[in-house]
Amino acid sequence: QVQLQESGPGLVKPSQTLSLTCTVSGGSISSGDYYWSWIRQPPGKGLEWIGYIYYSGSTYYNPSLKSRVTISVDTSKNQFSLKLSSVTAADTAVYYCARALDIVVRWFDPWGQGTLVTVSS
Amino acid sequence: QSALTQPRSVSGSPGQSVTISCTGTSSDVGGYNYVSWYQQHPGKAPKLMIYDVSKRPSGVPDRFSGSKSGNTASLTISGLQAEDEADYYCCSYAGSYTAVFGGGTKLTVL
Repeated sequence: QVQLQESGPGLVKPSQTLSLTCTVSGGSISSGDYYWSWIRQPPGKGLEWIGYIYYSGSTYYNPSLKSRVTISVDTSKNQFSLKLSSVTAADTAVYYCARALDIVVRWFDPWGQGTLVTVSS
Repeated sequence: QSALTQPRSVSGSPGQSVTISCTGTSSDVGGYNYVSWYQQHPGKAPKLMIYDVSKRPSGVPDRFSGSKSGNTASLTISGLQAEDEADYYCCSYAGSYTAVFGGGTKLTVL
């Protein structure tokens, strides 16, 4: 079955750019029905949808983060990536990648295990 | 785009039923039948429990059910078991190719 795994630095300095990659295994990222998503969860708080990308490169972002977010896809490596610029302590969170069914987000499944990113000098 | 509103906590005894509400607006929950629910145990990734308001993925016990009325969706767990103790999150399509989550509800099995 499809599995997702996040990777990237666990510590980022304020004002710098957070960069994470999600590797998809057990299936092709080019499957037509799915949108590849990033979701985050600050410590002790709820989930926040960041955005998603289609294998063709079309992207859709949370309006509250849109000015700082870039999601990209590399179909040759079966990976997609997240960049979040000008980070502050408020961006400290566990970042999850997940597969979404359909552009109307019928569900997110499966999810990666999540990776904690701390923003601190 | 505001987070959907969920109660911070609910509780119930083993064998009882509990219902968790998720209130949005006509722009999200009320406007589309694309509400999903997720269970999250401490330190773990969320797990899909319900999608399309009331559909259950294979492997999810039929003790879990979903419904919607107007701008409010609900998750009902019947025959509560100790392993159901977790955080639960609702999520809805919110139009313009965006999604929004609820703030989460902590379920305690007494």
